[in-house]
Amino acid sequence: NAGVMQNPRHLVRRRGQEARLRCSPMKGHSHVYWYRQLPEEGLKFMVYLQKENIIDESGMPKERFSAEFPKEGPSILRIQQVVRGDSAAYFCASSTGRGWQPQHFGDGTRLSIL
Amino acid sequence: GESVGLHLPTLSVQEGDNSIINCAYSNSASDYFIWYKQESGKGPQFIIDIRSNMDKRQGQRVTVLLNKTVKHLSLQIAATQPGDSAVYFCAEIPASDKLIFGTGTRLQVFP
Repeated sequence: NAGVMQNPRHLVRRRGQEARLRCSPMKGHSHVYWYRQLPEEGLKFMVYLQKENIIDESGMPKERFSAEFPKEGPSILRIQQVVRGDSAAYFCASSTGRGWQPQHFGDGTRLSIL
Repeated sequence: GESVGLHLPTLSVQEGDNSIINCAYSNSASDYFIWYKQESGKGPQFIIDIRSNMDKRQGQRVTVLLNKTVKHLSLQIAATQPGDSAVYFCAEIPASDKLIFGTGTRLQVFP
């Protein structure tokens, strides 16, 4: 999955801590999407952002989760006060946003909550 | 909330045979349909897409068929190779840009 960079690849947190997941889109891409995947399931949409704007956050839990895509730097998915149920793989995708262009995915961050 | 995870349906094929992976989608208003391949520990990799005004599209060794009447999508892989072993997801795009993924099919290729 050349281009979309996510870090860290693995993240371990204790219940109640904060998790920050980072995503740098492919060069030339200004649209970022975050998805969550549980084991043996498909990816579930969370949020869609453009630079400095949240376009669609219909898949984000109402509490504890937030996302941003600043003018400079990577997109950040932030989970506050993590719980065991937050354990999952979180994937970021990016696209140009011009016409129909496929979303290209990073290799994800595996979040484990102890 | 999240649904309980189930074991993925598995398709086992012999190397060299053709594979057909099926998918039912839900939104008749979707404009695009995409097939992704996901290998263990990696993110989904784009394979092929098809617009809703088409019923067939071919790529290298892959063909996607779209039947809008029954909301069915299929991916055909010719001469399946060991490197094709992965989980395959179909995804649809309704009016917004977000992808809606299906549940996935695990393809196992044996010699």
